[in-house]
Amino acid sequence: EDKVVQSPLSLVVHEGDTVTLNCSYEVTNFRSLLWYKQEKKAPTFLFMLTSSGIEKKSGRLSSILDKKELFSILNITATQTGDSAIYLCAVEAHSGGGADGLTFGKGTHLIIQP
Amino acid sequence: GAGVSQSPRYKVAKRGQDVALRCDPISGHVSLFWYQQALGQGPEFLTYFQNEAQLDKSGLPSDRFFAERPEGSVSTLKIQRTQQEDSAVYLCASSSWEGGREQYFGPGTRLTVT
Repeated sequence: EDKVVQSPLSLVVHEGDTVTLNCSYEVTNFRSLLWYKQEKKAPTFLFMLTSSGIEKKSGRLSSILDKKELFSILNITATQTGDSAIYLCAVEAHSGGGADGLTFGKGTHLIIQP
Repeated sequence: GAGVSQSPRYKVAKRGQDVALRCDPISGHVSLFWYQQALGQGPEFLTYFQNEAQLDKSGLPSDRFFAERPEGSVSTLKIQRTQQEDSAVYLCASSSWEGGREQYFGPGTRLTVT
């Protein structure tokens, strides 16, 4: 059974701090790992990672994948109160029939205090 | 519209009632997914469609859950004889066949069974 474990489950930091969110996974026929940000509504897409060691960046957010050790990290630098959200990690596995559903972790609840 | 839409946004059902949840995916997206998200948890995969074909329904928790997408666009998730444990947010997501694995999520339907 595919499994995704995120840590920490919750994190409270002060504005301006840098945070690192962790995601480890066990999946048969790994295809990609995705990060989502979920505020009050549906998850919004952040990154898709398929190759080890290649950092993806978007503004103050960055992420990297280690396919040997089966984990990914999501970094947020110079955090702002608007970064407060639940950050979800999900993995996708190859299937014979094309696009497949994602297996999600429980999420990291990040709270940025002013 | 530009994104995935779902209706109703909120649904309160008495135990034993049948409910139908609707998803309008992004126009042209061939893949459509349903997820169930319990309070404080990450989304859990229920089923997915490629056009009108339901290729995977392994995540449906019981035979009271039924999904269809008869014309390959709008999808309906039906829950018969609702139980309290069915209370959750039901998320729909769609993706394009080409262009990676970015799934675009709708706002969700919050189902409360009393």
